[in-house]
Amino acid sequence: GDSVTQMEGPVTLSEEAFLTINCTYTATGYPSLFWYVQYPGEGLQLLLKATKADDKGSNKGFEATYRKETTSFHLEKGSVQVSDSAVYFCALDSGNTGKLIFGQGTTLQVKP
Amino acid sequence: GAGVSQSPSNKVTEKGKDVELRCDPISGHTALYWYRQSLGQGLEFLIYFQGNSAPDKSGLPSDRFSAERTGGSVSTLTIQRTQQEDSAVYLCASSWGGNTEAFFGQGTRLTVV
Repeated sequence: GDSVTQMEGPVTLSEEAFLTINCTYTATGYPSLFWYVQYPGEGLQLLLKATKADDKGSNKGFEATYRKETTSFHLEKGSVQVSDSAVYFCALDSGNTGKLIFGQGTTLQVKP
Repeated sequence: GAGVSQSPSNKVTEKGKDVELRCDPISGHTALYWYRQSLGQGLEFLIYFQGNSAPDKSGLPSDRFSAERTGGSVSTLTIQRTQQEDSAVYLCASSWGGNTEAFFGQGTRLTVV
């Protein structure tokens, strides 16, 4: 079945450091790919998405490129801030129904 | 309301009791999803409603779990004869369906003692 694998956390970085959170997937067909973020005390919210190969999703300085050849959707940010501290979830939708398969989540802690 | 609303926000119940969790989706959204977030299993899909179609129940872990969506709006997730392994945060989301953005509620934290 479909699945998503994320790098294990927690990830601890200093402010202004470069961030990469790895995400790889297994799916039949051509899924849409997503990154969701859960800030402390808040609900899950969509960070960015990509719906086809080579698409790049971007938002709030975060980027991720849909790589079909490596079945990956790694999340990157050039300079993290303390306010980026949160749990990040990679997810896929293989049936175009909105039904999401999530990775296990990666906790990011950014220290001043 | 402006967002997806879930109630109660916290629920403590005794093992063997039944519980009902409620979700009020964003007005007009045709699709509604339930997920479970637990320490050992991460975020798991439970059930999905789209308009008047039969729900996709493929993620329900056992026949103790059921859900309904009345009038295409409010949804209730019912867990019968709760077990300790049911302890988790239950998340509801709604969307316009298809590939559109899903908006999540804050969740209901269920603790079975």
